[in-house]
Amino acid sequence: AQSVSQHNHHVILSEAASLELGCNYSYGGTVNLFWYVQYPGQHLQLLLKYFSGDPLVKGIKGFEAEFIKSKFSFNLRKPSVQWSDTAEYFCAVNEDYGQNFVFGPGTRLSVLP
Amino acid sequence: NAGVTQTPKFRVLKTGQSMTLLCAQDMNHEYMYWYRQDPGMGLRLIHYSVGEGTTAKGEVPDGYNVSRLKKQNFLLGLESAAPSQTSVYFCASRPDPARNEQFFGPGTRLTVL
Repeated sequence: AQSVSQHNHHVILSEAASLELGCNYSYGGTVNLFWYVQYPGQHLQLLLKYFSGDPLVKGIKGFEAEFIKSKFSFNLRKPSVQWSDTAEYFCAVNEDYGQNFVFGPGTRLSVLP
Repeated sequence: NAGVTQTPKFRVLKTGQSMTLLCAQDMNHEYMYWYRQDPGMGLRLIHYSVGEGTTAKGEVPDGYNVSRLKKQNFLLGLESAAPSQTSVYFCASRPDPARNEQFFGPGTRLTVL
């Protein structure tokens, strides 16, 4: 069965610091990869997604992620975080053309002003 | 388009009571999903549907039932609520099994006393 792990439970940064959130998955076949963000009290919104092609994908709000197939990883990055990035971030994996998604446990990001 | 909507937004039940959560989408999506979100555990799939009239079990189906009588609606039922079902419930929809993401509703916060 697929599983998704996220390296950090809670990350605390100051504004303008750089961010990298780790995500690893276990599945040997072709996968699609997603990062979702959940702002306090809100529903999940898609940040970015990878299906194929360039392993470096850019999303909304200055986020990007890199797919490294050999490491089964899809880490999320942002060069300079803002207070408004305070949220919970979820990595998700979907088997290519599969029905279901598997979500990681989430990483809570707190950005201090 | 309203996207994915959920009713109610909040509900408090006593142990043993029953209730139904409604998810509606106006995007003509084939796939619909019910998840529960608990602290530190990410989103766990309860049940899903790949089309009108079809449903399937997810990772944590016990204690829940679902129905998809109309394409746009996906109902989640709790026949006899238990405190362990206290959670935030999210519905999601997805166009089809091709390469695309899920779209989430705003969530229902359920407390079972």
